[in-house]
Amino acid sequence: EVQLVQSGAEVKKPGESLRISCKGSGYSFTSYWISWVRQMPGKGLEWMGRIDPSDSYTNYSPSFQGHVTISADKSISTAYLQWSSLKASDTAMYYCARHDYGDPFDYWGQGTLVTVSS
Amino acid sequence: IQLTQSPSSLSASVGDRVTITCRASQGISSYLAWYQQKPGKAPKLLIYAASTLQSGVPSRFSGSGSGTDFTLTISSLQPEDFATYYCQQLNSYPRTFGQGTKVEIK
Repeated sequence: EVQLVQSGAEVKKPGESLRISCKGSGYSFTSYWISWVRQMPGKGLEWMGRIDPSDSYTNYSPSFQGHVTISADKSISTAYLQWSSLKASDTAMYYCARHDYGDPFDYWGQGTLVTVSS
Repeated sequence: IQLTQSPSSLSASVGDRVTITCRASQGISSYLAWYQQKPGKAPKLLIYAASTLQSGVPSRFSGSGSGTDFTLTISSLQPEDFATYYCQQLNSYPRTFGQGTKVEIK
């Protein structure tokens, strides 16, 4: 069974750093890309960027370029989304999703809620 | 590429036929997917390539369109279909989603 399991909810202060994770199982992790999607409270879905775990090549949305970093460790089938300096506006649910080039997002993680508050 | 869904919300009754539209700011061939999201849950893939039903999705869901104009149709709305629906273009990066259509109970 294909699964993407994300790390648990986080509560952080502005300016702090954070890394959240997404662990894939039940399929060949390096055969599919992983994208990250943000959903702010009560709002819609925003694509942040994606990584090819086979070579760690990344694409970012211009809206998120420079503010987040996407990485992966294929040895443990895990992708990451990280911030070096969080802002209150980063408060949101973050989802990872699996896909191939040009293909839809067929499996999603359960989401990680990130709350940034002083 | 911007995607504009209409309406933003709608109220319907069980058994109604519901149609949601998604318009792309430029042509995307058939590189469009539809997702369903229920409160507190991750989105679920319903349709891809504009009209191909994902495995396990009920046949009351259908999609059509190409180029810039697309539709998602629910032929007979069921209680479990009350949710928010999003379109997504898969033609180019950055991938973009429509703003969502919330389907509520009348």
